[in-house]
Amino acid sequence: DVKVTQSSRYLVKRTGEKVFLECVQDMDHENMFWYRQDPGLGLRLIYFSYDVKMKEKGDIPEGYSVSREKKERFSLILESASTNQTSMYLCASSPPTGTGSDTIYFGEGSWLTVV
Amino acid sequence: AQSVTQLDSHVSVSEGTPVLLRCNYSSSYSPSLFWYVQHPNKGLQLLLKYTSAATLVKGINGFEAEFKKSETSFHLTKPSAHMSDAAEYFCVVKGFYNFNKFYFGSGTKLNVKP
Repeated sequence: DVKVTQSSRYLVKRTGEKVFLECVQDMDHENMFWYRQDPGLGLRLIYFSYDVKMKEKGDIPEGYSVSREKKERFSLILESASTNQTSMYLCASSPPTGTGSDTIYFGEGSWLTVV
Repeated sequence: AQSVTQLDSHVSVSEGTPVLLRCNYSSSYSPSLFWYVQHPNKGLQLLLKYTSAATLVKGINGFEAEFKKSETSFHLTKPSAHMSDAAEYFCVVKGFYNFNKFYFGSGTKLNVKP
């Protein structure tokens, strides 16, 4: 089974702090994603990465950056956390298009509260 | 462009009765379609997927969905609801032009009454 692991399930951070959310997948997937999920707004794509050191902005990249130094690891960084970044963050991974399997797999989520 | 519309934000059924969660999609090409379930405080779990094989797709936990191209629909059904089915369900279409992108519906919360 594919496993996407988000190391922190619940975090409380102060406004202005730098926050790292870590995600690891064990299926050698090329693609990795970070979403945030808010009530009434559904899932919104923050960033995705299709290879090591490669990244593309999603729909709401402002206030976030990402790092992908190794294929299995994709980190989301909040340079200076703000209260409007309080949310549930979901990491996901998928194989590349054309492999015959295009399913996206999710981690358990990280609940971030910024106070 | 691809998009997904889930027609009901909330559905309430009694335990043992059928479940119908509705999804319509928009896609210029034959899409890859998915249903995911999310239990409270959990990530999204794949229920089933359609990738241009059989139009009736069977998934986990007794769920199934039928792809109807003429109606651009991919509704999720289950013959008999169980209390453990109470969760939020997402219909998802995979991007064709933006091949790494997935388009999510807004979700349907299923409530199961005893």
